[in-house]
Amino acid sequence: GDSVTQMEGPVTLSEEAFLTINCTYTATGYPSLFWYVQYPGEGLQLLLKATKADDKGSNKGFEATYRKETTSFHLEKGSVQVSDSAVYFCALSSGTGNQFYFGTGTSLTVIP
Amino acid sequence: ETGVTQSPTHLIKTRGQQVTLRCSSQSGHNTVSWYQQALGQGPQFIFQYYREEENGRGNFPPRFSGLQFPNYSSELNVNALELDDSALYLCASSLLAGGRFDTQYFGPGTRLTVL
Repeated sequence: GDSVTQMEGPVTLSEEAFLTINCTYTATGYPSLFWYVQYPGEGLQLLLKATKADDKGSNKGFEATYRKETTSFHLEKGSVQVSDSAVYFCALSSGTGNQFYFGTGTSLTVIP
Repeated sequence: ETGVTQSPTHLIKTRGQQVTLRCSSQSGHNTVSWYQQALGQGPQFIFQYYREEENGRGNFPPRFSGLQFPNYSSELNVNALELDDSALYLCASSLLAGGRFDTQYFGPGTRLTVL
């Protein structure tokens, strides 16, 4: 079945460091891919998405490119801030459109 | 535009009991999905309702059931509660068009503890 495998955490970075959180997927058909973020004490929020191969999603300085050849959707940010400290979840919706899968989440802590 | 709301915030039940959790979708959304999130884990998809019919289901037993009402509010019912059902239950609403999920908007969740 469809699934998402996400880089294990926790990840601790200094402010202004480069961030990569790896995400790979297994899916039949043509899934859509998402990154969600959960800030401390808050609910899940969509960070960015991509609905077809080679699409790049971007938001708040974060980017991820839908790579069908490597079945990946890695999250990147060039310079992290303390306010980026949160748990990040990679997710996909199935090609059939009625199933949704999350990764286990990666906790990011950014220190000043 | 109102967001997704869930009630109650917290709930404590004992093993074998039944529980009903409620969700009010974001205005204009026709689809609601329910998720179970155990501590330290990602959300697990339970099922999705579209226009009051179950439209997709994850790997959860039949004792997990749901309803969606004409005003797009929704309920999650869990019968014969087990200790492992203790988790945060999330509701998410979206607009389903062309057979694909659009962006899901999540509620704050209901924390269920089964003793």
